[in-house]
Amino acid sequence: EAQVTQNPRYLITVTGKKLTVTCSQNMNHEYMSWYRQDPGLGLRQIYYSMNVEVTDKGDVPEGYKVSRKEKRNFPLILESPSPNQTSLYFCASLGGYNSPLHFGNGTRLTVT
Amino acid sequence: GESVGLHLPTLSVQEGDNSIINCAYSNSASDYFIWYKQESGKGPQFIIDIRSNMDKRQGQRVTVLLNKTVKHLSLQIAATQPGDSAVYFCADLNGVAGNQFYFGTGTSLTVIP
Repeated sequence: EAQVTQNPRYLITVTGKKLTVTCSQNMNHEYMSWYRQDPGLGLRQIYYSMNVEVTDKGDVPEGYKVSRKEKRNFPLILESPSPNQTSLYFCASLGGYNSPLHFGNGTRLTVT
Repeated sequence: GESVGLHLPTLSVQEGDNSIINCAYSNSASDYFIWYKQESGKGPQFIIDIRSNMDKRQGQRVTVLLNKTVKHLSLQIAATQPGDSAVYFCADLNGVAGNQFYFGTGTSLTVIP
């Protein structure tokens, strides 16, 4: 089944403790992206990657890092999480020009 | 910057009625539009899309209408069912500027049995 898989689904951590949220897609998509979703706001793009070893900042990149060492994986790294990064995070991949994003089921992160 | 907005944050309809969810976008260069459905605890799920060279597209029980003159997009759901209860949001893409999508904030649809 074609899918985008994120792990973990839920994560509670403390301020400053580094964490990684993994994302993997099995559709051989070149484009992958991370979004955060907060109440009252639309999905906002954190980082995206057009292909292996190519990453770019989205609209809200501060406090996040990503890497794209292989096509299927696109982990999101929070080196020093802060409470304002408490949010629902989605990874997505894109198959081509003018085609829809495919989303994972989300990771709910709480930073205390 | 670009914004995509929905007209109503919540909408309640009777089962069997038709639902209409609206969306406005600000970027006149946007050339691709998508509607997503998001159920509680799940990621956004693709419903239907439309390109800017069209003004209407139909799927199974859903129709998307695009009015480029007023930069307005709508999703019509025919014979709404309880399983249609979810948050719906639109997204637009300026393909020339790259693959960056902009998302609306969502309309929560509740279907009353």
